Amino acid sequence: GQQLNQSPQSMFIQEGEDVSMNCTSSSIFNTWLWYKQDPGEGPVLLIALYKAGELTSNGRLTAQFGITRKDSFLNISASIPSDVGIYFCASLVDFGNEKLTFGTGTRLTIIP
Amino acid sequence: AAGVIQSPRHLIKEKRETATLKCYPIPRHDTVYWYQQGPGQDPQFLISFYEKMQSDKGSIPDRFSAQQFSDYHSELNMSSLELGDSALYFCASDRRGVSEQFFGPGTRLTVL
Repeated sequence: GQQLNQSPQSMFIQEGEDVSMNCTSSSIFNTWLWYKQDPGEGPVLLIALYKAGELTSNGRLTAQFGITRKDSFLNISASIPSDVGIYFCASLVDFGNEKLTFGTGTRLTIIP
Repeated sequence: AAGVIQSPRHLIKEKRETATLKCYPIPRHDTVYWYQQGPGQDPQFLISFYEKMQSDKGSIPDRFSAQQFSDYHSELNMSSLELGDSALYFCASDRRGVSEQFFGPGTRLTVL
C-alpha cells in the first residue's frame, strides 16, 4: 500500500531549540494532517492542510503542504518539555471520510 | 469540547477468548474509524462506518467484526483472540465533508 516516509526517526534536542521534521511520499495526496501522540494515548490532531503550498500555524507549530502534493513538513519553535512525544504525519488521497495513511513517526526527546 | 470516548481503556484476555471494544464518537460526527497500533508502530486502519454502513475495510482479520449503531456508537468484536492481537486499538471520528479525524484515548488489549 501507500507509504509515507517520515524523517528523522528520532530527534534529541535541548529545550528552547527549534525542530523540523518532514514527510514524503511517492503518491499525491490532497490532505495532510499532523498528529502528536503521547505514550499509551491517542493521537492528537495538531494541524490540517488542504491546499498545495498552504502554510498553517498553530501556536509554536507551523506546517506546510508541499507544492508537489507529495510532501509536508512540521516545524516547532522554541521547544518546551511538553513537546516530547511521537509526531505522525497522515494523509488522505481524497478530501475526507476515508482511512488515514500514517507516516512512520518522529520521536522527539528533550535533553535536560 | 466533547471528545471520542472509548471503553474499556484496558482489557486483559486469554487466548481464544472474545473481546468487545466500544467507541462513542464526537456528537454530530457520522463516521467512525478503527485503527490498530502495535508497539513502536504507526496506527493501521481496520474498518470504518458511515451512517451505520461499512464504508471501507483495511487489514482486519476475519475473526474481527464491527458495526455502527443508530446512535452512531460503534463496537469492535474480536473472537478467537491470539497473542498477536495485543495492541492499542483506537477509534476516530469525523463528519462527512470535513477531513479531520479525532482519535479517542484507545483501548489497550493484552492477550495472555
